[in-house]
Amino acid sequence: DTEVTQTPKHLVMGMTNKKSLKCEQHMGHRAMYWYKQKAKKPPELMFVYSYEKLSINESVPSRFSPECPNSSLLNLHLHALQPEDSALYLCASTDRGLSDTQYFGPGTRLTVL
Amino acid sequence: EDQVTQSPEALRLQEGESSSLNCSYTVSGLRGLFWYRQDPGKGPEFLFTLYSAGEEKEKERLKATLTKKESFLHITAPKPEDSATYLCAVRPAAGNKLTFGGGTRVLVKP
Repeated sequence: DTEVTQTPKHLVMGMTNKKSLKCEQHMGHRAMYWYKQKAKKPPELMFVYSYEKLSINESVPSRFSPECPNSSLLNLHLHALQPEDSALYLCASTDRGLSDTQYFGPGTRLTVL
Repeated sequence: EDQVTQSPEALRLQEGESSSLNCSYTVSGLRGLFWYRQDPGKGPEFLFTLYSAGEEKEKERLKATLTKKESFLHITAPKPEDSATYLCAVRPAAGNKLTFGGGTRVLVKP
């Protein structure tokens, strides 16, 4: 099973709202990722967690706050977003000890009004 | 700096018309080259991982090959359901970041 799940599928929020995106995998993978993808562009890396510790932050604005409560869960907390933050947010995971393949979730379509 | 360039940007094919997509890369020690398929509004779906020059992998109408500088994704006798964006990405020997190419949008017309 190579499934990564993400909730919600769609999210509409105002610029003053606080919301969270959730990602879950039960493959025992120890690295998890958040990506942002705009239309007709490739995924753009935001954060990497390795063994539940933040290992890469690609200079993402502080209005995006990641959290890894345990090895299966990854959250992305959103606050005071801008309309230009509207995008498809993708979660991925990989087991660096084996194939190194990143498996992606279905994504959350975020619209900021 | 690792770089990945995919060509063409878009490809229109008639059903049954075979073609190839190109992925040229420069990377500091290749740990793996990955092909994904992505449908609009959905997450990338894993297709293949290639690790060393000369390696080939096949899945249904798709075949991926790898040299030291590029990879090809061959689509044999495509069907309309093969319409999607195909993404290529490389992972260097050090670190756990992928570098993606811009993708090739494939449209197969019946």
